Amino acid sequence: DAKTTQPTSMDCAEGRAANLPCNHSTISGNEYVYWYRQIHSQGPQYIIHGLKNNETNEMASLIITEDRKSSTLILPHATLRDTAVYYCIVRVGGSYIPTFGRGTSLIVHP
Amino acid sequence: GAVVSQHPSRVICKSGTSVKIECRSLDFQATTMFWYRQFPKQSLMLMATSNEGSKATYEQGVEKDKFLINHASLTLSTLTVTSAHPEDSSFYICSAPTGGGTNYGYTFGSGTRLTVV
Repeated sequence: DAKTTQPTSMDCAEGRAANLPCNHSTISGNEYVYWYRQIHSQGPQYIIHGLKNNETNEMASLIITEDRKSSTLILPHATLRDTAVYYCIVRVGGSYIPTFGRGTSLIVHP
Repeated sequence: GAVVSQHPSRVICKSGTSVKIECRSLDFQATTMFWYRQFPKQSLMLMATSNEGSKATYEQGVEKDKFLINHASLTLSTLTVTSAHPEDSSFYICSAPTGGGTNYGYTFGSGTRLTVV
């Protein structure tokens, strides 16, 4: 099963870009990288996902390295409401059960 | 997009009583529902996987007689915490897979904060 490694915590100034890294060195060729976030006392929220190309949507950008062993989630202009725990998930093997690591606690400060 | 509606959002119950948590898939059919538990400052831990019309699959260490899961329809899965005790106090979250092929995504409910007193 592909595992992910994320920093425990990060902080970012409001209005600046937040770059959240994730290592997934054992990812398989057909596994996608998903990013979710969980604001305190809420269910996780989908942010973005990708296979090997960089992706962008209205929430964030996802940069995946060419060897696919790591990725970076970019929140281009972080706001206080982006304070949350961010989870990087790789689809596990042939199943589709989402398993969560500890994630990165992002604190956006004024 | 796909929505999973989870109720109640919070519940306080007395020790020894049972509590039912419902998760409904809106505008899509959820043949599978994942149930998670989250203790303070910890990550989500998968408790069980329910499949419509069949018995749920429980993760190791999760008591199936205590956490009863029913998935009788394609749009409703329920988790009943029986004979609740204070140590069952936690944040319970359901999730259903959406999409297909290798492009599975997951939609989560908003969670239920259970406090057993």
